[in-house]
Amino acid sequence: EAQVTQNPRYLITVTGKKLTVTCSQNMNHEYMSWYRQDPGLGLRQIYYSMNVEVTDKGDVPEGYKVSRKEKRNFPLILESPSPNQTSLYFCASSLDRGAYNEQFFGPGTRLTVL
Amino acid sequence: DQQVKQNSPSLSVQEGRISILNCDYTNSMFDYFLWYKKYPAEGPTFLISISSIKDKNEDGRFTVFLNKSAKHLSLHIVPSQPGDSAVYFCAAVNAGNNRKLIWGLGTSLAVNP
Repeated sequence: EAQVTQNPRYLITVTGKKLTVTCSQNMNHEYMSWYRQDPGLGLRQIYYSMNVEVTDKGDVPEGYKVSRKEKRNFPLILESPSPNQTSLYFCASSLDRGAYNEQFFGPGTRLTVL
Repeated sequence: DQQVKQNSPSLSVQEGRISILNCDYTNSMFDYFLWYKKYPAEGPTFLISISSIKDKNEDGRFTVFLNKSAKHLSLHIVPSQPGDSAVYFCAAVNAGNNRKLIWGLGTSLAVNP
């Protein structure tokens, strides 16, 4: 089954404790992206990757890191989480650039930073 | 500054009736528009799209209309079903800004049996 998986689905952590949210897709997609969804602010792009070893900042990259060492995986790293990073996070993938193509989203990761 | 606006945060419709979800945009460089649907505890899923060179695109019960002069698009669902109850996001591609995708805030649709 074609899908995007994220782990964990739920995470409660404390300020400053490094964490990684994994994202994996099995559709051989080149383009992958991370979003956060917050009430009243909609979906905002954090980082995206056009292909392996190619990543770029989205609209709200501060406090986040990503890597794309393999085509299928695109982990999101929070080196020192803060309470303002409490949010619902989505990973997405698509065939290429993404904007003109259907994006496939993961189920989301709800992160709470205390 | 919201370039893609979904002015109705919520909408309630009776089963079998038409649902009309609206989306307004401000940037004339947008050349492609997409609608996504999102159920609770799931990620958004693609629903339907339309190029700016068209004024209508239809897929089963879902039709999207584009009025470029008014910078307005709408999603029609006919007939509405309880399973259509979800949040609907409008998104637009900015051809003038590296094909960046701009999202609206969403409209929550409730279809009542």
